[in-house]
Amino acid sequence: KQEVTQIPAALSVPEGENLVLNCSFTDSAIYNLQWFRQDPGKGLTSLLLIQSSQREQTSGRLNASLDKSSGRSTLYIAASQPGDSATYLCAGTYNQGGKLIFGQGTELSVKP
Amino acid sequence: EPEVTQTPSHQVTQMGQEVILRCVPISNHLYFYWYRQILGQKVEFLVSFYNNEISEKSEIFDDQFSVERPDGSNFTLKIRSTKLEDSAMYFCASNQNYGYTFGSGTRLTVV
Repeated sequence: KQEVTQIPAALSVPEGENLVLNCSFTDSAIYNLQWFRQDPGKGLTSLLLIQSSQREQTSGRLNASLDKSSGRSTLYIAASQPGDSATYLCAGTYNQGGKLIFGQGTELSVKP
Repeated sequence: EPEVTQTPSHQVTQMGQEVILRCVPISNHLYFYWYRQILGQKVEFLVSFYNNEISEKSEIFDDQFSVERPDGSNFTLKIRSTKLEDSAMYFCASNQNYGYTFGSGTRLTVV
């Protein structure tokens, strides 16, 4: 069964700290992996998409990597800010246009 | 930046009633989806739609659910006879090989 797991479930850090969120998937034949942000009671905002031929993507203070052989992806957030507080979701798909399989998310709290 | 638009943002309905959730995907996207998220739980796939037909559906998507693309812009999810356990946030998404774009969701409350 194709599953996505995120560790930790919750994380609290002081402002300014660099942090890493982890995502693992059981089936290494992943096609695309996408990281999302979700604020409480809100929709999903796409942060980064890593296509199967890529190893990493960067946007501003965010960097996501994909290691298919180990079944892992990480989201690195540099110089965290209170505005980064949200739930971060990773999700993978296994074919073009296929469904996204979501992890349960990491709830991040950045303290001023 | 192109958006996926969902209406209504909130819907309260009585158990047993029919509801229709509406979505306008990004215009040049070819793949459309519905997902749901029960409070405190994972985002779950319901159904995908491509080339005017269902391409995949989950076990959740039983006979009480249906999807339709009635014209060139709208994409709807119908729940025929709502149950209490259908209360959730329902997300529409579209995709064109450059990642998925999600709408802001419809919060459905069945009372």
